[in-house]
Amino acid sequence: DSGVTQTPKHLITATGQRVTLRCSPRSGDLSVYWYQQSLDQGLQFLIQYYNGEERAKGNILERFSAQQFPDLHSELNLSSLELGDSALYFCASSGEDSTGELFFGEGSRLTVL
Amino acid sequence: DAKTTQPPSMDCAEGRAANLPCNHSTISGNEYVYWYRQIHSQGPQYIIHGLKNNETNEMASLIITEDRKSSTLILPHATLRDTAVYYCIVSLRPGNTGKLIFGQGTTLQVKP
Repeated sequence: DSGVTQTPKHLITATGQRVTLRCSPRSGDLSVYWYQQSLDQGLQFLIQYYNGEERAKGNILERFSAQQFPDLHSELNLSSLELGDSALYFCASSGEDSTGELFFGEGSRLTVL
Repeated sequence: DAKTTQPPSMDCAEGRAANLPCNHSTISGNEYVYWYRQIHSQGPQYIIHGLKNNETNEMASLIITEDRKSSTLILPHATLRDTAVYYCIVSLRPGNTGKLIFGQGTTLQVKP
């Protein structure tokens, strides 16, 4: 158990819809990262937040947005969903210790029909 | 972020050492070498990381060449549960300005 909690574990929805994925980082971790893993793209870095502020951005679509709240949990919002958005979405967190290790959650599997 | 090159797949006999190579010829002086693995569709799991020196922990050993252009992850006694995709990543430390960019990794198949 990494200590990172993601909900929901599975989600099935239709094209055009909007969903929200939630991530609770390890206790005390200030950084949250979102990754997307689809069959043909591998693990793609989407975005990083640090203590509520956006720190780094990767290949995140304009239809996607994220935020980190004062209690440090994070949400990834996916809108106008397309079939190609079907993927595993992972959240990870890291602390301010010396290792720089990321702790990943078990992911949210999104299926768009 | 520096790019890495890994073989797409490798086999290893159970109980033997698994040696997974990684080339990172464009690594900069302040970038670390990180190794993660992903078992089936679970969340990636941190294994080990290093900057210049060789490192060892309860899971594996990391050997970094003197010029830092390549490294090898060693699983000393591979078991069937070590079958996974292994990712070699070079990055500044995450949490600062670094972000881990995953490549295609090496699929390690441990065989009985």
